[in-house]
Amino acid sequence: DAGVTQSPTHLIKTRGQQVTLRCSPISGHKSVSWYQQVLGQGPQFIFQYYEKEERGRGNFPDRFSARQFPNYSSELNVNALLLGDSALYLCASSSSSGRAGSYNEQFFGPGTRLTVL
Amino acid sequence: AQSVTQLGSHVSVSEGALVLLRCNYSSSVPPYLFWYVQYPNQGLQLLLKYTSAATLVKGINGFEAEFKKSETSFHLTKPSAHMSDAAEYFCAVSDDGATNKLIFGTGTLLAVQP
Repeated sequence: DAGVTQSPTHLIKTRGQQVTLRCSPISGHKSVSWYQQVLGQGPQFIFQYYEKEERGRGNFPDRFSARQFPNYSSELNVNALLLGDSALYLCASSSSSGRAGSYNEQFFGPGTRLTVL
Repeated sequence: AQSVTQLGSHVSVSEGALVLLRCNYSSSVPPYLFWYVQYPNQGLQLLLKYTSAATLVKGINGFEAEFKKSETSFHLTKPSAHMSDAAEYFCAVSDDGATNKLIFGTGTLLAVQP
């Protein structure tokens, strides 16, 4: 079975541009979460979507937005890119929403490496 | 809010030696705890998880971790290191019981010397 897939694998943008990152969850998984991993740090939570609804949002500016489609794939959009947005963006899928008593393992994709020049 | 502290950003061991990676969490309520491994240029792979069942949790590749509530710790161990264990290891805690949000530590880079 295919795992979590992300595209593109690498991306180079310049400051001020906009970027869209894509994620396809494991078949049957309805939850997608996005994380930002800056070099040398642990991943930081950006968003979670479950059944096409936003379930959680991390401490990121409004330049970051996301959505989930009927097939449960997801896109992460970042506007007005800053140098500090350079990072590995990870997508994770799960069969559960994360509510108490229903937490299931999250499976991570290989990530998209974004470089902002 | 939850937080996770990983002591030692870099740990070096000899092949065959004990691996001990430290993780402490801040919570008054036992959370879900996880250890993930990340190989270069790859995503995160779950090694093991604690979900309030047994306090000694066995994971993949010979790793295990013990949940100690009194010490708020969840240290990762492996009796005998292998060269293939060289990677970065992240401890994580579930955040709020309402979402899948994980709070990660800053990671420990494990080097295994021949």
